[in-house]
Amino acid sequence: DAGVIQSPRHEVTEMGQEVTLRCKPISGHDYLFWYRQTMMRGLELLIYFNNNVPIDDSGMPEDRFSAKMPNASFSTLKIQPSEPRDSAVYFCAVYQGAYYGYTFGSGTRLTVV
Amino acid sequence: GENVEQHPSTLSVQEGDSAVIKCTYSDSASNYFPWYKQELGKRPQLIIDIRSNVGEKKDQRIAVTLNKTAKHFSLHITETQPEDSAVYFCAASIGSGGYQKVTFGTGTKLQVIP
Repeated sequence: DAGVIQSPRHEVTEMGQEVTLRCKPISGHDYLFWYRQTMMRGLELLIYFNNNVPIDDSGMPEDRFSAKMPNASFSTLKIQPSEPRDSAVYFCAVYQGAYYGYTFGSGTRLTVV
Repeated sequence: GENVEQHPSTLSVQEGDSAVIKCTYSDSASNYFPWYKQELGKRPQLIIDIRSNVGEKKDQRIAVTLNKTAKHFSLHITETQPEDSAVYFCAASIGSGGYQKVTFGTGTKLQVIP
């Protein structure tokens, strides 16, 4: 589906390793969001950007998490070092205005063993 | 901040029956209430929404109602079909014009039994 492309789709890594999740939104969207989804907590907003600038990172759980958006077409979410409790599906999303709402990427399923 | 509660967490209905999912919100300033459907292994997708100046909205077999006084809103699916099986998320947001920060409910897993 066009709009937001995430990679990788699945990631399995060992505890302590660095993990980088990638998001490529279609240009033209001013807002980009990173969400984490787990069974226990549902959809949690981690951070969002406006015009490539981080606006609200209050949802980032710990200093181990960091996000960047070097340009309007690319963003990364990094976890260093990773822990088993970071296992979740991570979604990137853009806001397409009041009519279309959010468009989510396909998500990255992260498993930390 | 905004808090959205959603019930039930799971719901099973027979094909052809109706399904109702209910949500409450805490911030009376919230003015936009979207609903998202997430099929197994897929991304959430917007299926319908309602704004605070409207009490009800319909789109074929799906309808949403909003009670601003009680701060609750509901999703109604009539004549359910197996393809309606998914997790449904309600959400509430405050804002106007451009971006509106959205708070999601915890989701309802709907199973339609053929």
